[in-house]
Amino acid sequence: LAKTTQPISMDSYEGQEVNITCSHNNIATNDYITWYQQFPSQGPRFIIQGYKTKVTNEVASLFIPADRKSSTLSLPRVSLSDTAVYYCLVGGAYSGAGSYQLTFGKGTKLSVIP
Amino acid sequence: KAGVTQTPRYLIKTRGQQVTLSCSPISGHRSVSWYQQTPGQGLQFLFEYFSETQRNKGNFPGRFSGRQFSNSRSEMNVSTLELGDSALYLCASSSSAGRGGEKLFFGSGTQLSVL
Repeated sequence: LAKTTQPISMDSYEGQEVNITCSHNNIATNDYITWYQQFPSQGPRFIIQGYKTKVTNEVASLFIPADRKSSTLSLPRVSLSDTAVYYCLVGGAYSGAGSYQLTFGKGTKLSVIP
Repeated sequence: KAGVTQTPRYLIKTRGQQVTLSCSPISGHRSVSWYQQTPGQGLQFLFEYFSETQRNKGNFPGRFSGRQFSNSRSEMNVSTLELGDSALYLCASSSSAGRGGEKLFFGSGTQLSVL
């Protein structure tokens, strides 16, 4: 079961690029890395997912080094509306009864300052 | 497509009572998973159902149970409520063919308060 470690909180000014790193030293071969965003009193929302190297979509980029023991979520030019908690999730591959494991870390509370 | 629907949105119960929460997944999704979120413990996995079968269970006491119906809708039940069960209960659905890379779609949750 891959445990994840993220910074508890981060502050950033509007317009800056924000990088949030997640450590997952015992990631399994078939595990994917997924990031979610959560606003207060709402369920988490999918941001981006990757397996290795770099993935980019319209809202973020995800960098995964070759050893896959960490990953970095990059948010370009953040705005006030990006203030939220960001979760790194490792797992998702079902390989037999009882082995479907999903581990959410404590999340990183990002505060964007005007 | 409609999103994941959880009912009720808010619930107040007293200790010792039981509660049932409902989750309707996105149409076509066969996997439903449940999570408990508290300020102290964060997001914790309760269990996951796929095609009416529980595939995996987290580390919660037997007072927490669930089931899934043939239309993929799921219910979660907590019996003999304790004060510590006060939390936001979230459900998520995914298409989950078991090939990995699951993308979860979460509902807005049920905020349960136990008095």
